[in-house]
Amino acid sequence: QKEVEQNSGPLSVPEGAIASLNCTYSDRGSQSFFWYRQYSGKSPELIMSIYSNGDKEDGRFTAQLNKASQYVSLLIRDSQPSDSATYLCAVTYNFNKFYFGSGTKLNVKP
Amino acid sequence: NAGVTQTPKFQVLKTGQSMTLQCAQDMNHNSMYWYRQDPGMGLRLIYYSASEGTTDKGEVPNGYNVSRLNKREFSLRLESAAPSQTSVYFCASSEPGHNEKLFFGSGTQLSVL
Repeated sequence: QKEVEQNSGPLSVPEGAIASLNCTYSDRGSQSFFWYRQYSGKSPELIMSIYSNGDKEDGRFTAQLNKASQYVSLLIRDSQPSDSATYLCAVTYNFNKFYFGSGTKLNVKP
Repeated sequence: NAGVTQTPKFQVLKTGQSMTLQCAQDMNHNSMYWYRQDPGMGLRLIYYSASEGTTDKGEVPNGYNVSRLNKREFSLRLESAAPSQTSVYFCASSEPGHNEKLFFGSGTQLSVL
């Protein structure tokens, strides 16, 4: 069983702050790592992907991967109320079969 | 460009009834997936198809069957619906490879009474 673990939250941060979301995974064979954002009643949408150790930045979002620690994180800088959503961590094995964590609910307070 | 299209968006069944959820993608992807999402459980893989003509079980396949009709279409069938199958179902597709990404349909809210 491939396990992807996330803190369910909710994580509450004030507007303008940095939100830090964390994810751990059980299988060292994991190859690709993703963060999806899901608004209530909507389907998940991809916001970040990361494939090698280190940081990857895209606008206000930074994904961090540490394969030795089996840990991937997402930082959201200058958080906005529109960032309030559930964030899903996903990992893949053998370049298919995406496995998801249960998600972390983020609330950004104005 | 429609992406991944699922039908129906909502469905109510009685216990024991059968139904098929339809999914089609227009991105020429080889891989297609069916997930279910329950509160607090995240997305769990039911079945996936790595390519046309192949299907494989995921984490929670019991009570479901699938058909990869062609490269575009991947259907999910509930032969005898049970209340435990009340959930939101998502179809998704991807193109296998190093930069593989998963694209989702809009979901089907299924209630089994």
